Amino acid sequence: AQSVTQPDIHITVSEGASLELRCNYSYGATPYLFWYVQSPGQGLQLLLKYFSGDTLVQGIKGFEAEFKRSQSSFNLRKPSVHWSDAAEYFCAVDRYSSASKIIFGSGTRLSIRP
Amino acid sequence: NAGVMQNPRHLVRRRGQEARLRCSPMKGHSHVYWYRQLPEEGLKFMVYLQKENIIDESGMPKERFSAEFPKEGPSILRIQQVVRGDSAAYFCASSPDAPELNLSGNTIYFGEGSWLTVV
Repeated sequence: AQSVTQPDIHITVSEGASLELRCNYSYGATPYLFWYVQSPGQGLQLLLKYFSGDTLVQGIKGFEAEFKRSQSSFNLRKPSVHWSDAAEYFCAVDRYSSASKIIFGSGTRLSIRP
Repeated sequence: NAGVMQNPRHLVRRRGQEARLRCSPMKGHSHVYWYRQLPEEGLKFMVYLQKENIIDESGMPKERFSAEFPKEGPSILRIQQVVRGDSAAYFCASSPDAPELNLSGNTIYFGEGSWLTVV
């Protein structure tokens, strides 16, 4: 069965510092991979997605993620965080199928230190 | 193009009452997904529906929970005889027709959620 692991429950970084949020997936083939962000009391916004091609994916708000097949990872990065990036971040995986469902990781809460 | 619309945004129910959550997918989307987010937890898949069909309900509790997506109208998630443990945010998402042909991948779009509080 496919699964997604986000090993970091809570991360605090200083404003202006770089950020990397980890995500590992378990699936026999290359799935679709996603990162979503959720602000408090809000729904989920898609940051970026990967399904084929270039393994470095650019997203909105200055985020990027790199797919590494050998490590089954899809880590999210941002070179310089802003206070407005404080939110919950979810990695998700979906297999290529017309009857599939997206599976989410448990999330990483990002706090920004002034 | 309106996004995924969920209502109500907030719902308070007493124990034993029924809760009905509605979801209108994006225009042109015939696939609907329901997820539940318990406090301090991630999103858990509940059910995946297409028009008039339940495709995958592996995440639905066996009792008290049901979902439908009729030919006309929104998708409904129904919780009967609510208990305190049902308090959560319920998110609906939708995706385009024939996702396997969607060259952008099976991207799903989320609504802003319905927060259910059982008192």
